[in-house]
Amino acid sequence: NAGVTQTPKFRVLKTGQSMTLLCAQDMNHEYMYWYRQDPGMGLRLIHYSVGEGTTAKGEVPDGYNVSRLKKQNFLLGLESAAPSQTSVYFCASRNPSYEQYFGPGTRLTVT
Amino acid sequence: GESVGLHLPTLSVQEGDNSIINCAYSNSASDYFIWYKQESGKGPQFIIDIRSNMDKRQGQRVTVLLNKTVKHLSLQIAATQPGDSAVYFCAERMEYGNKLVFGAGTILRVKS
Repeated sequence: NAGVTQTPKFRVLKTGQSMTLLCAQDMNHEYMYWYRQDPGMGLRLIHYSVGEGTTAKGEVPDGYNVSRLKKQNFLLGLESAAPSQTSVYFCASRNPSYEQYFGPGTRLTVT
Repeated sequence: GESVGLHLPTLSVQEGDNSIINCAYSNSASDYFIWYKQESGKGPQFIIDIRSNMDKRQGQRVTVLLNKTVKHLSLQIAATQPGDSAVYFCAERMEYGNKLVFGAGTILRVKS
């Protein structure tokens, strides 16, 4: 039981490049979330999903897209990376009791 | 290491002392609250939660207090240990919502 895993762990992009961050969970959770974390700030919700095939916008969705084609996977895409998207990205899934389980994070730098 | 702690309030305590970390939440309609611990380079880890119909809940070495009148949440850690050093976040859920809103966090440093 690996919990929530994220790939890659680190990535450096040039402005305008695209990439996809992968989140996988093996706990059969319906709800999954993508957050970003910036220095001195709490986690901010980018997008979330309440089940396979569904997605919804969070607090800071601009510049990101997501897909939930399979229940266990939640993908976060950056179509044209900008320096403002330099951050640490966390994926989470939650159980029916509302406990959220977080992955180890992806550190993204956009130059 | 993780730079998430830049400009966050810091609480320094001596090993063995009790720690109290405070959080002011924003919405009187929030019905559920969680405390998370985040160690350097890792994702947040669930510590304890409390629902709005309670004012106190205890776990192993931790206690969460909720004061809805002033919208205040606190986390008490008994006999603080070096392994407790981390950033602590509170989070609130809007009534029956699917999302959590996180506070900025407090750095806890434990001195040996």
